[in-house]
Amino acid sequence: GAVVSQHPSRVICKSGTSVKIECRSLDFQATTMFWYRQFPKQSLMLMATSNEGSKATYEQGVEKDKFLINHASLTLSTLTVTSAHPEDSSFYICSAPRQGSYEQYFGPGTRLTVT
Amino acid sequence: KNQVEQSPQSLIILEGKNCTLQCNYTVSPFSNLRWYKQDTGRGPVSLTIMTFSENTKSNGRYTATLDADTKQSSLHITASQLSDSASYICVVSARTPGTASKLTFGTGTRLQVTL
Repeated sequence: GAVVSQHPSRVICKSGTSVKIECRSLDFQATTMFWYRQFPKQSLMLMATSNEGSKATYEQGVEKDKFLINHASLTLSTLTVTSAHPEDSSFYICSAPRQGSYEQYFGPGTRLTVT
Repeated sequence: KNQVEQSPQSLIILEGKNCTLQCNYTVSPFSNLRWYKQDTGRGPVSLTIMTFSENTKSNGRYTATLDADTKQSSLHITASQLSDSASYICVVSARTPGTASKLTFGTGTRLQVTL
């Protein structure tokens, strides 16, 4: 069964509003989670690394004030897209590595459409 | 710069046939190589993970090979089924002591299995 969940799976919002996406590790604790964005027919692009108890680390070119990340607990990270615009429409995927193994589990993804 | 290249970009095969997907990488220092299957609109699902010392690993009808000297990997799918239609992504992890590994993604091979 799934070990990483995301909510919601799909969201449609109006331009200028904010949207929060949750990522949960279901049966293990994750001090680190990763957030990716994927455009159609392209591979996953790492946006940021979410760290429990400290600030997130953002990849070059990703605006930290636009994509707010909060790693609230050892099983939950949230990504908030603030003041969303149509160009933010994409497929957002989180992942969580399981400590002590090479496994990194991906969530099922969240399809964001900004109208 | 760490890079992962995959070929072919896309592939169409008849149900029941075999196929082989290729992956070349330049990631250093190398930790492990993974193959993921990603269905459209879903998150990636792990098929195999291989470390430096492993040169082949199977998961059902999927068999991955790794040549760490030439920095090449392949994914062989045997007796393809319609449900194998998906994108197959080669992902390489670099060794980053003290932190969760960052992954370098290939652009994927889009496989379509037809009747």
